[in-house]
Order: sequence, then structure tokens, then C-alpha cells
Amino acid sequence: AQSVSQHNHHVILSEAASLELGCNYSYGGTVNLFWYVQYPGQHLQLLLKYFSGDPLVKGIKGFEAEFIKSKFSFNLRKPSVQWSDTAEYFCAVNAINNNDMRFGAGTRLTVKP
Amino acid sequence: KAGVTQTPRYLIKTRGQQVTLSCSPISGHRSVSWYQQTPGQGLQFLFEYFSETQRNKGNFPGRFSGRQFSNSRSEMNVSTLELGDSALYLCASSLSGLAKNIQYFGAGTRLSVL
Repeated sequence: AQSVSQHNHHVILSEAASLELGCNYSYGGTVNLFWYVQYPGQHLQLLLKYFSGDPLVKGIKGFEAEFIKSKFSFNLRKPSVQWSDTAEYFCAVNAINNNDMRFGAGTRLTVKP
Repeated sequence: KAGVTQTPRYLIKTRGQQVTLSCSPISGHRSVSWYQQTPGQGLQFLFEYFSETQRNKGNFPGRFSGRQFSNSRSEMNVSTLELGDSALYLCASSLSGLAKNIQYFGAGTRLSVL
């Protein structure tokens, strides 16, 4: 069965530190990949997505993610985090053939000012 | 453009009761998906509706059901509530489905089962 793993449950960083959140999925077919973010008190919203083409995708607020097909990974990165990046981050995978959406358990990011 | 609207925002029920949650998608969106969010489990896919038809269903018991109306509004029903059904239920709408579409989420309905 398709699954999505996010390696870190809670990450605490200081402002200006670099961020990398891991996401691995288990599905051998064609996938669409997403990172969603939930800021405190707000709705889940899309951060970035990968459908095809350049495996390095850029999203809002300086975030980027790299799709490495051979590693079944879609890690999220940001070179320098800000206090306003404090949020919960969810990786999601849509398996084309299954037509469902699987989310990881989420990673809570706390950025200390 | 109005976002995805879920009602009610909060619900308290007792075991054995049933509950109906409502979701109004963004205007023009024909796909509505439902998710259950619990601490530690993240979001778990319940089902997706498109043009009044359920296109896919997650791994939930038959007590969880849904429907979609001709105006794309959707309802989710949970019968014979159990304590473990306490969760935040999220609805998301998209133009045409899960594949290659951005989902827009509502604020959710927080269900507490006592």
C-alpha cells in the first residue's frame, strides 16, 4: 500500500538556520508530489508541487523541494528560516493510478527568534 | 472568491450517535475530498467526490459515508460514533480532482465524541 513518511515530528531551529524536512514515499508508479503548510490558526495551504519536468521546484516564501525518483524522496528545503515559518508541514503524494492522496504525519517546525 | 466553507466548526456528540458535516467548495470546483486529521496520524484520506460520484475511498469503515450534490456541495456522515472518531475533519476542493490539481482546504470541523 502507498505510504508517506516524514522523518521528523518536531524540528526546532533558530532564525537564519537552514531547513531540510525529509519526505519519502512508497509507490513505484507515477506520482504527483506536494508540500502543504498549516500556519497557526490558518487553513492548510499549498507550499509547492511537482508534477513533471525539472525535479527542483520552487514554492512560496523561498521554499524549494527536490524530487529524487531513485530515492522516492521529495525533501523540502529553505536556506534561511524566519520566525514566521513556524508551522506544521505536510508532504503529500497522489498516485496517478490509484487516484488517492496520502499525507505524511506532518512535521512541526518551531523557529526561535 | 470565497474559500472552502465547512459547517459546523465544532461538534460534540456521544458514542452511538450519528453526525453530518457539510462542505461548500470554491465556486467552479467540482471535486471535493474529505480527510480525517488526528495528532500523530496526520491527514488520512476518506473519500473524493466528483460530479456527484465517489471516485475513491480510503481505508475507513462503512460507518463513514458521503455524498455530493449537483451544486458540488458535499456532506459527510458518520454513523454509530466511536470515541476514536474524535478528530478534525477537513474538506478540500479542487477543479477536477486529485491528480495535477491544487487542493484548497477549509478550516475543518472539530468533532469530539464523548
